Amino acid sequence: AQSVTQPDIHITVSEGASLELRCNYSYGATPYLFWYVQSPGQGLQLLLKYFSGDTLVQGIKGFEAEFKRSQSSFNLRKPSVHWSDAAEYFCAVAGNRDDKIIFGKGTRLHILP
Amino acid sequence: GAVVSQHPSRVICKSGTSVKIECRSLDFQATTMFWYRQFPKQSLMLMATSNEGSKATYEQGVEKDKFLINHASLTLSTLTVTSAHPEDSSFYICSAYGPEGNQPQHFGDGTRLSIL
Repeated sequence: AQSVTQPDIHITVSEGASLELRCNYSYGATPYLFWYVQSPGQGLQLLLKYFSGDTLVQGIKGFEAEFKRSQSSFNLRKPSVHWSDAAEYFCAVAGNRDDKIIFGKGTRLHILP
Repeated sequence: GAVVSQHPSRVICKSGTSVKIECRSLDFQATTMFWYRQFPKQSLMLMATSNEGSKATYEQGVEKDKFLINHASLTLSTLTVTSAHPEDSSFYICSAYGPEGNQPQHFGDGTRLSIL
């Protein structure tokens, strides 16, 4: 069965510092991978997705993620965070284009001024 | 991009009443929509997959008689929480495949349901 693990419940970084949020997945083949962001009381916004091809994907708001098959990972990165990046980040996986999405438990990002 | 609109954003009602939540796809047709439930500080749990013109597919453990889903048109799915009780209080979020009819899903802004 598919699963997604986000090992960090909370991450705190200073504004302007770099960021990496970890995500590991369990799936037999190459899955469809996503990162979503959720601000308090809001729905989810898609940051980026990986379906195939180049393993380094660029997303919105300056985020990028790298798919590493050997490590079953899809970590999210940003070179310099802004206070507005404080939110909950969810990594998610789907088996194919028509499959339901399985979400990780999320990582809450806190930004220090 | 594809926009999904959810209404209402917040509802407070007495125990025993039924509450309807609407999920609309704006400017595109959505044959498949999804309903999620999210408890405070937790992840999203899929409740059901809503298919236009057919019965919804419920996840294991979700009471279909409690959470009625109707997907009567290509742009609208509704979730009705019947005879709601305090334990049904939660954040409900819908999503839809985009115009391509498959991944990624696009999410509404959610509905905060509070049952007194």
